[in-house]
Amino acid sequence: QKEVEQNSGPLSVPEGAIASLNCTYSDRGSQSFFWYRQYSGKSPELIMSIYSNGDKEDGRFTAQLNKASQYVSLLIRDSQPSDSATYLCAVNRNTGNQFYFGTGTSLTVIP
Amino acid sequence: NAGVMQNPRHLVRRRGQEARLRCSPMKGHSHVYWYRQLPEEGLKFMVYLQKENIIDESGMPKERFSAEFPKEGPSILRIQQVVRGDSAAYFCASSRLGVDGYTFGSGTRLTVV
Repeated sequence: QKEVEQNSGPLSVPEGAIASLNCTYSDRGSQSFFWYRQYSGKSPELIMSIYSNGDKEDGRFTAQLNKASQYVSLLIRDSQPSDSATYLCAVNRNTGNQFYFGTGTSLTVIP
Repeated sequence: NAGVMQNPRHLVRRRGQEARLRCSPMKGHSHVYWYRQLPEEGLKFMVYLQKENIIDESGMPKERFSAEFPKEGPSILRIQQVVRGDSAAYFCASSRLGVDGYTFGSGTRLTVV
């Protein structure tokens, strides 16, 4: 079983719609959860972090965490073509240790 | 704040040569992580270092790969006797312990010909 699993996509949404990206993790003791955005040929860029159950909002982005279900999601409201990228879910077991990354979900926002 | 600096951005090596990848963490960050990314694959952890110490090298191949983070200077990922399968993007990331996520460098794209 992989540490972190994501649907590879591709996920296509029209401009202005809500994009929903999902991630599950295997280690129930995981403490910290992150979403990274990676444009083609570029390095991953941190866009959201979440540490406790519930929702965390930052502009058009909302991260949701459900530790009981071992599930993390990212919602992107009012999707823009510039949001087209691969979104990586990352999970950290313990402070300072390595992050485990999913293989990413490719998102395309269609103008 | 210059961010995480990696060099070179692109590196071409012939089979059997050595590749040296450098990473300077962000100011104030003392933890360095190296990841490898192959096309259409996720980021695979290789090694986690602090100054002068390797904390976790569970993702490093047993042969040909080594890493260091000396007291002075950048972290170095060294690949000896490169093979075509070593061709990948190698990303370095740094963090403050327990605070926020990693910050990644721009990566080194290694091509073995």
